[in-house]
Amino acid sequence: DGGITQSPKYLFRKEGQNVTLSCEQNLNHDAMYWYRQDPGQGLRLIYYSQIVNDFQKGDIAEGYSVSREKKESFPLTVTSAQKNPTAFYLCASSMASGRQETQYFGPGTRLLVL
Amino acid sequence: GQQLNQSPQSMFIQEGEDVSMNCTSSSIFNTWLWYKQDPGEGPVLLIALYKAGELTSNGRLTAQFGITRKDSFLNISASIPSDVGIYFCAGRPGTASKLTFGTGTRLQVTL
Repeated sequence: DGGITQSPKYLFRKEGQNVTLSCEQNLNHDAMYWYRQDPGQGLRLIYYSQIVNDFQKGDIAEGYSVSREKKESFPLTVTSAQKNPTAFYLCASSMASGRQETQYFGPGTRLLVL
Repeated sequence: GQQLNQSPQSMFIQEGEDVSMNCTSSSIFNTWLWYKQDPGEGPVLLIALYKAGELTSNGRLTAQFGITRKDSFLNISASIPSDVGIYFCAGRPGTASKLTFGTGTRLQVTL
C-alpha cells in the first residue's frame, strides 16, 4: 500500500522536553512538508524539503527543527523553544514542487502538553 | 503568510440538498486544490485545478477555477451524511511554490 504514515497518533510533551514526530512516505515523492493545524484555522507551513539533505523554513518555523537524510523520511522535532506546541501536526508529500504539484497528507499527529 | 478567504465558515444543510462554497484571493493563483478533512484525520484531496476556467467533477463534487484566477468554487450535489467534514481550499500564487490554505468550511448534514 502506497501512502504517508505518521507516528505516533497522539504524543504528550512535558515542559522543557523535545519531542520528535515521524513522517514516512513510500510514494517516491521528492518533496515533503510539515504543517501545523489549530482549531478553526487553516494549515500553516512549518518546514518543507524539496530534495534530500535540503530544507527551507515555512511561515512558522521558530521552535521547530527538521532533517531530511532519506527521501522517504522527514522527521519534525518540536523543541522546548516552542512555547505553544499543542496542535495537530500534518505531514504531506508531493512528486515535485512545481506548477502542477499536488500534495497528499498523512493521518496526522496530535501533540498535547502535560 | 497569506491565507485565503473561504466562505461560508460553516453550513448546516439537510440531506439531499446541494452545497456551494468558495475561496477568494487578492492575488492570482495558478493552482487550486480542494480537500476534505474528517475529524482527527489528515485532509484528503478531492479535486485539483490547473487552468483558469477549468471545470472538473469527481462524482457528486464539481469544482471550478475562476476565470480571474483569484477564486475557486466547490459544489456538492445531493448531499449525504458522509459529506460531513471540513472542506479546505488551497492555492498556489503565481510566483511562489508553496501552497496557501483557506480556513475551511465546516459542513454538517441533517437527516
